[in-house]
Amino acid sequence: EPEVTQTPSHQVTQMGQEVILRCVPISNHLYFYWYRQILGQKVEFLVSFYNNEISEKSEIFDDQFSVERPDGSNFTLKIRSTKLEDSAMYFCASRADRVAGGGVPDTQYFGPGTRLTVL
Amino acid sequence: LAKTTQPISMDSYEGQEVNITCSHNNIATNDYITWYQQFPSQGPRFIIQGYKTKVTNEVASLFIPADRKSSTLSLPRVSLSDTAVYYCLVGASNSGYSTLTFGKGTMLLVSP
Repeated sequence: EPEVTQTPSHQVTQMGQEVILRCVPISNHLYFYWYRQILGQKVEFLVSFYNNEISEKSEIFDDQFSVERPDGSNFTLKIRSTKLEDSAMYFCASRADRVAGGGVPDTQYFGPGTRLTVL
Repeated sequence: LAKTTQPISMDSYEGQEVNITCSHNNIATNDYITWYQQFPSQGPRFIIQGYKTKVTNEVASLFIPADRKSSTLSLPRVSLSDTAVYYCLVGASNSGYSTLTFGKGTMLLVSP
């Protein structure tokens, strides 16, 4: 079964450093997402990406965050200057094209996550 | 987005059937009901999705009454490996880009 993959599984960085989290979505999917989950808290939406541009973003996704699909397979999340409160699990998800005409919507498939620890 | 309410936690024993009910009183006409499962330190995993009546797959069943103001996820004969957090999500099939809004979920603990 196809799956979303993410690297690295664990990233440790110093406060103020830049990090890039990488994701390889499922190959025929067109919608891509980043979520994060701070330890013990809810899964929170960060950003969605479609047709090479951001389609929606949350309040969390401020100017320190950016996303990119540099080639046909990778989808990255960059945090320019990490803060202690950025420590969390970051999940990438992807979804196939929407079924037109009100059919059952395609589901989002999540990757295993990257645990980011900011010291 | 329709607000959902589900129990914070549930306990069960191996081999039992577990039913987790979710309330979504202000569900909209075009909203679907989706359940995800999450193990510790893993990404959420899709379990089942439905619009009305009953949906069954190899993992679970989803019961949705006629008024659609609630839904029940049914896990037959749970095992220890079913210990996880289960999320009920409600959202439209044709609005926006399907951003998922997770609540706190139900922590299911299965004991021997």
